[in-house]
Parts: sequence; C-alpha cells; structure tokens
Amino acid sequence: DVVMTQSPLSLPVTLGQPASISCRSSQSLVYSDGNIYLNWFQQRPGLSPRRLIYKVSNRDSGVPDRFSGSGSGTDFTLKISRVEAEDVGVYYCMQGTHWPRTFGQGTKVEIK
Amino acid sequence: VQLLESGGGLVQTGGSLRLSCAASGFTFSSYIMSWVRQAPGKGLEWVSSIIASGGSPYYADSVKGRFTISRDNSKNTLYLQMNSLGAEDTAVYYCAKTSTFDMWGQGTMVTVSS
Repeated sequence: DVVMTQSPLSLPVTLGQPASISCRSSQSLVYSDGNIYLNWFQQRPGLSPRRLIYKVSNRDSGVPDRFSGSGSGTDFTLKISRVEAEDVGVYYCMQGTHWPRTFGQGTKVEIK
Repeated sequence: VQLLESGGGLVQTGGSLRLSCAASGFTFSSYIMSWVRQAPGKGLEWVSSIIASGGSPYYADSVKGRFTISRDNSKNTLYLQMNSLGAEDTAVYYCAKTSTFDMWGQGTMVTVSS
C-alpha cells in the first residue's frame, strides 16, 4: 500500500499569516494516463470532509484562492496564503492513483 | 448534488448492518462511488469503491470478506452490507462520489458493542 506521510501533524497559525502542510508518498503517484491523483481535503470541526484540491494543484469549485497545491513525484504541499478563522480544522492528503486509496494522518490547523 | 446516508446504529459484536446512500443532483449511474469511514477521534480510512456499472468492487483489506458494496442505479442508491462486525468497525461511515471523493454525505454512525 502507498503510505502518505504528512507534516506537521499540528499547525498553530496566526490569523492572516501563511500556512504550509507537507505530504510525502512512499511511491510515485503518476498514473498510466500521466496524471498525478494527489488530493487535499479539509474537515472542519463536526463536519464532513470536503475536497479542496485535486490532481495536485486544481482547486475544487467554491474553494477560495488562498488555498493552493503544488508538488511532483512524491512530495506535495498545501499552502494557505493568509489563514482565516474558518480555515480551522484537519487537513488530509490522499492518493487516488493506486488501490487501496490511502490518506495521510491529518494535520490539525488551529489559531494561535 | 446531495448524498444522504442512512442505516447506521448500534449493533452487537458479530452482527450485521446495511448502510444506504441516496444520491441526487447528478447522473449517479455514470460515476464510481465509494465508502470512507472515520473512527471516533481518528483519521479517514477508505473502505470500498464500486464502478459505475456495479461490477469490479474494491475493498480495503480490513473489510475484505466481511463487507459487500453494491448499487442500484435505477434507485440512485449505494449500499454497504457489513457482516461480522467488530469493535474496530465503529466509525462514521461516509458515502462519497467517485474514487477521489469529490463530494461527501453527512455520514452515518455505526457503533459496534458487546
């Protein structure tokens, strides 16, 4: 199975400041079609997860542009340019290239 | 787009439960559908996916042989039959659209207790 490793697992941030979460996969996520199916999810407290980013860097509909994804090979990053109060929650990376689908452990973002 | 799970509840160890997920707002029969679970206070775990036609199911090793995913495209409904339940299956079960989970339901809680 592909192991997804996130860091940090806890991220205290100041409102208005940037935040960055790293995700590393144990093997390449390049699919046979040439795409990299690396996705990011946000789970606000008490709510269902919501996909933010698909295929490394594409924002889902309605996702603010302060969220961005980047990376290649086995190293990926989710960045929040200026953290807002509504960004508090747990963020997960997930690979959709290989079966079984696997998630990172989650990174808890909180306000300092 | 809406996904509405039902069928969760309290069940004894070794028991069975069938979850349902009613889909609306999109062409259900065109998409892979999935189940993802989250144990209390824990992270997300993919459980199972099924292709649009209903064939070729995929399962996590942790549920293989005990859970069965199925779908009824005429009813726009996804199912998860769960047998031989153990405490480790206690979780919120989410229905999700596609195998990269672009939409999620609100979840249904399954509690397995002796």
